[in-house]
Amino acid sequence: GQNIDQPTEMTATEGAIVQINCTYQTSGFNGLFWYQQHAGEAPTFLSYNVLDGLEEKGRFSSFLSRSKGYSYLLLKELQMKDSASYLCAVLDSNYQLIWGAGTKLIIKP
Amino acid sequence: DAMVIQNPRYQVTQFGKPVTLSCSQTLNHNVMYWYQQKSSQAPKLLFHYYDKDFNNEADTPDNFQSRRPNTSFCFLDIRSPGLGDAAMYLCATSRVRGTYNEQFFGPGTRLTVL
Repeated sequence: GQNIDQPTEMTATEGAIVQINCTYQTSGFNGLFWYQQHAGEAPTFLSYNVLDGLEEKGRFSSFLSRSKGYSYLLLKELQMKDSASYLCAVLDSNYQLIWGAGTKLIIKP
Repeated sequence: DAMVIQNPRYQVTQFGKPVTLSCSQTLNHNVMYWYQQKSSQAPKLLFHYYDKDFNNEADTPDNFQSRRPNTSFCFLDIRSPGLGDAAMYLCATSRVRGTYNEQFFGPGTRLTVL
């Protein structure tokens, strides 16, 4: 079966750095997405990785290792508005998005 | 601004009373998706359209139907809503299907079944 694993919940402090991990086992791989979802709102696109390595975009970076079936999202200089769920999703061999359940990130002052 | 619009944002229906949720897009994307998302769970794909080509997920109940009368609009019909169908329903679009496939989401419709 296809499976995406990510922690259910994480807590971090404003101004700090947090890393949210995602491991996956899917039928094929055509890229990995990270989405941010605030409570009661729709997911919004953060990043896409299809090659190994680190992609940096402002305060957010995303890393991929295809051989390990592993990705992480790194958030720097945390702000209160970063409190949200972060969803990892993999595009499988049929180009279907397989979603993780999301990691709820709580930022404390 | 190009966007994905869902109406209504909040919908309340009675147990067993048919309900229709609507989605429109100004992105001129070929692909439209309907997802069901329950609290603290991953979005669950119900079906998607590639142009007029309808693709139903194997585990989508028959209670859920969809229509796409033109490129811009897509509807989700729930024929006889049950209490278990209470959820957020997300509409999404993508320019094409396959390879890089960023999906753009609407704000969602939160369905309550009484």
